[in-house]
Amino acid sequence: QVQLQQWGAGLLKPSATLSLTCEVYGGSFSGYYWSWIRQPPGKGLEWIGEINHSGSTNYNPSLKSRVTISVDTSRNQFSLRLSSVTAADTAVYYCAKLYQRSNWNDVWGQGTLVTVSS
Amino acid sequence: DIQMTQSPSSLSASVGDRVTITCQASQDITKNLNWYQQKPGKAPNLLIYDASNFETGVPSRFSGSGSGTDFTFTISSLQPEDIATYYCQQYENVPLTFGGGTKVEIK
Repeated sequence: QVQLQQWGAGLLKPSATLSLTCEVYGGSFSGYYWSWIRQPPGKGLEWIGEINHSGSTNYNPSLKSRVTISVDTSRNQFSLRLSSVTAADTAVYYCAKLYQRSNWNDVWGQGTLVTVSS
Repeated sequence: DIQMTQSPSSLSASVGDRVTITCQASQDITKNLNWYQQKPGKAPNLLIYDASNFETGVPSRFSGSGSGTDFTFTISSLQPEDIATYYCQQYENVPLTFGGGTKVEIK
């Protein structure tokens, strides 16, 4: 059974770069797409983007200029970088497995609260 | 982007009640719609995919229906453990987009 464990810095200053990593345990890494989703405190869910094992990506156009999702197949890990963060980027960030490309998330990480504050 | 309009934004019902949540897409998404349950402080959990298919292990009191632009999620008999926020999500087009959520409480 696939499980996801994520980590990264929880407090950033404005203009910094957010960096989170998600490691995949207990299942195939190369057979799936992997995604990042975020949720501002008390608000709804926003899809950030997705990647597969070969590095093929899709990004939300609203974030595309600032987002990079990358993959390290040797470590069964995928990562999120979001540049030039502001208070509006304060959110719980989730990594998640996709059943197939761009469809549904059937396994989720535990979430990481990232706060942007001076 | 495809806009997903979910209603109501919150509801309060008694244990055993039938609960219905609707989700409307801004354009035809055929059956490319999922439903998630999110309990406080937890990650979302997939309940329904392809509008009406159950994820493994999901209790049969949960169901989904609809196609095109109009979708319905139903809890046939509300249980205390169903207290959560429910989200619809379309995957017809990238970016995948979610409804605003429906918070379900016990009366």
